[in-house]
Amino acid sequence: EVQLVESGGGLVQPGGSLRLSCAASGFTFSNYWMSWVRQAPGKGLDWVANIKQDGSEKYHVDSVKGRFTISRDNAKNSLYLQMNSLRVEDTAVYYCARWGREYYDSSGYPYWGQGTLVTVSS
Amino acid sequence: DIQMTQSPSSLSASVGDRVTVTCRASQGIDNYLAWYQQRPGRVPKLLIFAASTLQSGVPSRFSGSGSGTLFTLTISTLQPEDVATYYCQNYKSAPYTFGQGTKLEIK
Repeated sequence: EVQLVESGGGLVQPGGSLRLSCAASGFTFSNYWMSWVRQAPGKGLDWVANIKQDGSEKYHVDSVKGRFTISRDNAKNSLYLQMNSLRVEDTAVYYCARWGREYYDSSGYPYWGQGTLVTVSS
Repeated sequence: DIQMTQSPSSLSASVGDRVTVTCRASQGIDNYLAWYQQRPGRVPKLLIFAASTLQSGVPSRFSGSGSGTLFTLTISTLQPEDVATYYCQNYKSAPYTFGQGTKLEIK
């Protein structure tokens, strides 16, 4: 069974940093693109970043470029999001998601974690 | 970046009704479009990918169509459990933007 478990969220002051982690199990992690998607309280889904299987390609949405960095450790079956210079508007539940039903297809995000809440407030 | 615009933003319909949600892309995305359902307090669930392919386990009352810039999600016979917010998503090119969502309620 595919499982994605996020951790690392919490309360942080504006300008602060947090590192989110996503522990993956139940599939061959190194075969899949992975992503972070966030959702501010009461708002819609907001795509944040994705990373290729070997980490050689990464994309970040403009609103987080230069502040957030996605990374992965295939040996630890883990995905990360380093978040620096946090702003109030970064407050959201952050979801880890796997791209594709199978490693060879392009079929959306069939697997999501339960999310971790990041609150940026003074 | 490709912008995704859904309409309507909210919708109220009766059980048994046919419901249609529209998603428009700011530029052509071929059929690189997915639809998600998010029930209140729950994680998003993939319904449809490649604009019209039903994800395994999704009831057949859900269907998708479209290509290029205009797409639709249709629920043929609305059920009470379909109360949710529905999102479209472009995956033609990163960032894989979502629409703003369509909140569906039962009358």
